[in-house]
Amino acid sequence: AQKITQTQPGMFVQEKEAVTLDCTYDTSDPSYGLFWYKQPSSGEMIFLIYQGSYDQQNATEGRYSLNFQKARKSANLVISASQLGDSAMYFCAMREGAKSNYQLIWGAGTKLIIKP
Amino acid sequence: GAGVSQSPSNKVTEKGKDVELRCDPISGHTALYWYRQSLGQGLEFLIYFQGNSAPDKSGLPSDRFSAERTGGSVSTLTIQRTQQEDSAVYLCASSLAGTRLGETQYFGPGTRLLVL
Repeated sequence: AQKITQTQPGMFVQEKEAVTLDCTYDTSDPSYGLFWYKQPSSGEMIFLIYQGSYDQQNATEGRYSLNFQKARKSANLVISASQLGDSAMYFCAMREGAKSNYQLIWGAGTKLIIKP
Repeated sequence: GAGVSQSPSNKVTEKGKDVELRCDPISGHTALYWYRQSLGQGLEFLIYFQGNSAPDKSGLPSDRFSAERTGGSVSTLTIQRTQQEDSAVYLCASSLAGTRLGETQYFGPGTRLLVL
């Protein structure tokens, strides 16, 4: 079974609009962390935002916020006021606390294209 | 400071040849990860090094794959007798200690391997 599901293979969004990228996850571990990374065409993975399973508030980092709905096991990334430079692949990833190696488990990604 | 570096950036090889991929983590980071990203896919965990502990090799797809980390710093991923299905981008990441759930992994630019 997929542990991280990103249901949107691709999205087109008009510049300056807000965009929500979906991510659902599956784990029985009560302690876990959720990450979002951006991968531009250059290929490098860029960390955006982190949400811990015990965090009481939704994480925010500048124009990025995470809509964390624990009961629904979803951790959607919201980008406000999108910019042309936001065009990239976006990956949701999870780390489970019980895993001693703390590896990241990745979704398949969403390709976001911002239209001028 | 310098980020994670990887070399070569691109490698084309013939089926059956051995290849070595190098990763130089961020100075002071004790945890190092190798991931593989096939075209249009998320990342697949390969191996994890943490300090002087024995590496976690649970993600290596076959015994043709091996990795070492010398002096707790530079790591080399070796693929013996390469096959066409080994073609992918190989990404290296490092983190400060590898022991905290919310610890960010910082990625290198990757090595694009093409096996003909």
